[in-house]
Amino acid sequence: QQQVKQSPQSLIVQKGGIPIINCAYENTAFDYFPWYQQFPGKGPALLIAIRPDVSEKKEGRFTISFNKSAKQFSLHIMDSQPGDSATYFCAASMRSGGSNYKLTFGKGTLLTVNP
Amino acid sequence: DAGVIQSPRHEVTEMGQEVTLRCKPISGHDYLFWYRQTMMRGLELLIYFNNNVPIDDSGMPEDRFSAKMPNASFSTLKIQPSEPRDSAVYFCASSLRLSSPLHFGNGTRLTVT
Repeated sequence: QQQVKQSPQSLIVQKGGIPIINCAYENTAFDYFPWYQQFPGKGPALLIAIRPDVSEKKEGRFTISFNKSAKQFSLHIMDSQPGDSATYFCAASMRSGGSNYKLTFGKGTLLTVNP
Repeated sequence: DAGVIQSPRHEVTEMGQEVTLRCKPISGHDYLFWYRQTMMRGLELLIYFNNNVPIDDSGMPEDRFSAKMPNASFSTLKIQPSEPRDSAVYFCASSLRLSSPLHFGNGTRLTVT
């Protein structure tokens, strides 16, 4: 049973575009939703995270939008650059158990930003 | 800070052989995690340690897999005997606390022929 569903699998945008990656979760006990960025040959790195008591969180060009009633959250990348080309993973866990405990990842989205 | 260090970066072995993957976490981090990444299943947690003690190994796929953390600066993941379906990228990650950001190593790409 896949607890976090991520879409699309791949995404191509032009430089300056705003790619949007969506995730949906099933477990209403989840209360911590991070996004990880992974470059080829590297491990994932934490990009930004949100808790369900806010509907949006912004860090630089990266924004998470969160819809608790729909059990969905998304990542928006403003003014995307070729250097943003990477695989992006959403994830979810129950922070009350420690946010890294049983962190459930989506399958990933391969983002390509063309110059 | 050198980050989480994993070795080897690539491992190619034949079915039935023993494979040992190694990890050095970030100094001072109390938690260490082993993940497996495949196209089909994505990133899966195999096991995690707190202060060198295994806390949850429910993600370990079979008895062929074992993990140890003999001290705060070293952990191993062993597969014996290895099978082609074990081919994947294995990541080690560490964190200061269970609620702190995870820091991943660059992974070991394992190919079992």
